Amino acid sequence: DIQMTQSPSSLSASVGDRVTITCQASQDISNYLNWYQQKPGKAPKLLIYDASNLETGVPSRFSGSGSGTDFTFTISSLQPEDIATYYCQQYDNLPPITFGPGTKVDIK
Amino acid sequence: QVQLQESGPGLVKPSQTLSLTCTVSGGSISSGSYYWSWIRQPAGKGLEWIGRIYTSGSTNYNPSLKSRVTISVDTSKNQFSLKLSSVTAADTAVYYCAGSTVVRSWYFDLWGRGTLVTVSS
Repeated sequence: DIQMTQSPSSLSASVGDRVTITCQASQDISNYLNWYQQKPGKAPKLLIYDASNLETGVPSRFSGSGSGTDFTFTISSLQPEDIATYYCQQYDNLPPITFGPGTKVDIK
Repeated sequence: QVQLQESGPGLVKPSQTLSLTCTVSGGSISSGSYYWSWIRQPAGKGLEWIGRIYTSGSTNYNPSLKSRVTISVDTSKNQFSLKLSSVTAADTAVYYCAGSTVVRSWYFDLWGRGTLVTVSS
């Protein structure tokens, strides 16, 4: 299985801050990577697909980049409603698809 | 708008079989437009994909669970189901059903609310 790591595991930032999360794959996955947001007690929500494409209806402050083994997820200006855990997910080497361990984002 | 809803026992005894159903509303499960998956999440932990089924009955399973998992579809009831045998406390988790379109088959853009299953005697 492809192993996914994320850093940091958690972070606190102020409203308006730029927030960056990294995701690393244990082997080359091209751009076969998605990002999800999970708010407490809720199901995950797809935000970014194919590493850098914004899902329809998702605010433009969210973005993704990267290819190969190293990926970045960015919130350009953190909003209170962005408090959540963010997960990356690879779908290159199947099965199984695998998720990263998550990054919890809080407001400072 | 297609919606998903999980249902099933919230408590299962060790060594028994966990059985959950996902009801699809707002659309036909046999439309051929979706793959239907089960994903679980232990409390405070990450997400684990269990497996998926297409309306044809074709399945893919996570190799780590394959020997214990069966996913099936009942088009007459617009439902798909998960059976996980020989459960232990490690199978305690919130179980989500999820859908992904055929053209974006590994992008989970439909989710149920999730149901907590506890394995305990």
